[in-house]
Amino acid sequence: EPEVTQTPSHQVTQMGQEVILRCVPISNHLYFYWYRQILGQKVEFLVSFYNNEISEKSEIFDDQFSVERPDGSNFTLKIRSTKLEDSAMYFCASSGDGNYGYTFGSGTRLTVV
Amino acid sequence: AQRVTQPEKLLSVFKGAPVELKCNYSYSGSPELFWYVQYSRQRLQLLLRHISRESIKGFTADLNKGETSFHLKKPFAQEEDSAMYYCAPSSYNFNKFYFGSGTKLNVKP
Repeated sequence: EPEVTQTPSHQVTQMGQEVILRCVPISNHLYFYWYRQILGQKVEFLVSFYNNEISEKSEIFDDQFSVERPDGSNFTLKIRSTKLEDSAMYFCASSGDGNYGYTFGSGTRLTVV
Repeated sequence: AQRVTQPEKLLSVFKGAPVELKCNYSYSGSPELFWYVQYSRQRLQLLLRHISRESIKGFTADLNKGETSFHLKKPFAQEEDSAMYYCAPSSYNFNKFYFGSGTKLNVKP
């Protein structure tokens, strides 16, 4: 069964540093998403991406965040200057047609120290 | 915006007992509703979706528009059902899901 792949599985970074979280969505999917889950809290929507542009973003997704699909296969989330409160599990997801739900990756645990 | 309430953080039942995980939502419009499951140390997986009216792993969920509920039910719980369960309505254009805070189901032997 096709999978969404995320790398790395765990990243530790110093506050103020830039991080790039990588995702390889399912190859024929057209819709891409990032969600995050702070430890002990609910899964929160960050951003959706379709046709090479952001289609929707939450208030969490401020100017420190950006997404890119640089080469038609990877889908990246960049955090420009990390803060302690960015520590969370970040999930990438993709969908062929959002009508039928997403396929999630296994997540990247980001720890900002 | 949608709001999702899963009132139980933890639900413990014995194997073979019926289980119901509650979900209530507030909505503007007609959302589509989904349940996701996360087994220990695994990724979030789609369990079932209202539009398909399906039964997956013995689970069903009925949409009650009057009560704005989408409770997940299984008549006979199994130990392998132990996991986190998230109710997730989608936005009208399926652009995002609104996840509830989740219910941890613990099925005891």
